[in-house]
Amino acid sequence: KAGVTQTPRYLIKTRGQQVTLSCSPISGHRSVSWYQQTPGQGLQFLFEYFSETQRNKGNFPGRFSGRQFSNSRSEMNVSTLELGDSALYLCASSSWTSAYEQYFGPGTRLTVT
Amino acid sequence: GESVGLHLPTLSVQEGDNSIINCAYSNSASDYFIWYKQESGKGPQFIIDIRSNMDKRQGQRVTVLLNKTVKHLSLQIAATQPGDSAVYFCAENAGGTSYGKLTFGQGTILTVHP
Repeated sequence: KAGVTQTPRYLIKTRGQQVTLSCSPISGHRSVSWYQQTPGQGLQFLFEYFSETQRNKGNFPGRFSGRQFSNSRSEMNVSTLELGDSALYLCASSSWTSAYEQYFGPGTRLTVT
Repeated sequence: GESVGLHLPTLSVQEGDNSIINCAYSNSASDYFIWYKQESGKGPQFIIDIRSNMDKRQGQRVTVLLNKTVKHLSLQIAATQPGDSAVYFCAENAGGTSYGKLTFGQGTILTVHP
């Protein structure tokens, strides 16, 4: 079974721009969660989608948003980028029977200059 | 509790030794606890999980112990190998409507010397 894939793997953006990151979950997994990883704050939960609906959200500003498509693929968007948004963005998928048992992709490394 | 990543704890062991990585969790209502391993340049890899109604669970070369009284979780790795070198994270999930929301600990850097 193929794992979670994320595109792109690396991204460099300028302050004020917006960015969209993509995640394809493991086949059959309907839940997709997004996390931000930084050296200062560690791994922090952004949001979770299940069957195209957001069912959990972390403590991030409204500039961070996401969506999920009918094939369970998910995207997250960050608008008006700030330097502090530089991070590794990780996507994880899980089956509907074990939402906490998450399998992570390799992440997208976002650098904001 | 929120994860803070500065100055991660480190554990340095010799190949073949047993390793014990500790984690204090914050939410007494957490129902699931998971250990992840993260190697450089990769996403976290699921190792083992334990539910709050258990005290111990064993996997291949790994054992997780849960002490709910003091809100403490540990991961024991038997016969540690150089390939075990990575950052290890504990994560908790409150179950119920928390669904896929995991709260991660700060992580511990494990270095295994040949």
